[in-house]
Amino acid sequence: EVQLVQSGAEVKKAGESLRISCRLSEYTFPNYWIGWVRQVSGKGLEWIGIIYPDDSQTRYSPSFQGQVTMSADKSISVVYLQWSSLKASDSGMYYCARLSVASHIVVVTAPFQDWGQGTVVTVSS
Amino acid sequence: QSVLTQPPAVSGAPGRRVTISCTGSSSNIGSGYDVHWYKQLPGAAPKLLISGDSSRPSGVPGRFSASKSGTSVSLVITGLRPEDEADYYCHSYDIGLSGWVFGGGTKLTVL
Repeated sequence: EVQLVQSGAEVKKAGESLRISCRLSEYTFPNYWIGWVRQVSGKGLEWIGIIYPDDSQTRYSPSFQGQVTMSADKSISVVYLQWSSLKASDSGMYYCARLSVASHIVVVTAPFQDWGQGTVVTVSS
Repeated sequence: QSVLTQPPAVSGAPGRRVTISCTGSSSNIGSGYDVHWYKQLPGAAPKLLISGDSSRPSGVPGRFSASKSGTSVSLVITGLRPEDEADYYCHSYDIGLSGWVFGGGTKLTVL
């Protein structure tokens, strides 16, 4: 089973920057699209974006475009989600998740097969 | 408001059958995009339960199945067990939004 290990909980103030990470324990890491999903306490799941680590192609949800940046370092099998200026509304649990299909072309019908354990981000105003 | 609509809560007694609906539109389910289901236990990450319209990953019992009708997909759980108590989310792709969408989630209570 592929494991996605995320960085630890973060407590920040509004206006600060932040980068959280997701490390994949799988040698085929660069060839799977990795998505990010947010869950605000007690609420549902929201798709943030998705990245192909091999060439850093990205797709963003319109709701998050310009608010966050995804990146990848395939040499260490890690993808990142970062904010340049946090807002209180960015507080929540953030999950990384791997699409089930290895393909340079994003297979939009594929599910998120494996998930990280989540990173809690708390932003105070 | 979620693009995919799920009932906020459903319940059933042990051994019974429950259904959780996921209603979309012509830009997602109605366009033929696969619907996936995830189970989330309290304090845990979501876990893939059913992929496509009815395929179960290894380890998921046959008590879980899905069916599709038009712009809706239903998750069916038979022989309800206490460990089925969790939040369930549907998930698909939306061509109008050019991205993935989730249902709002359904809390299943086993009475």
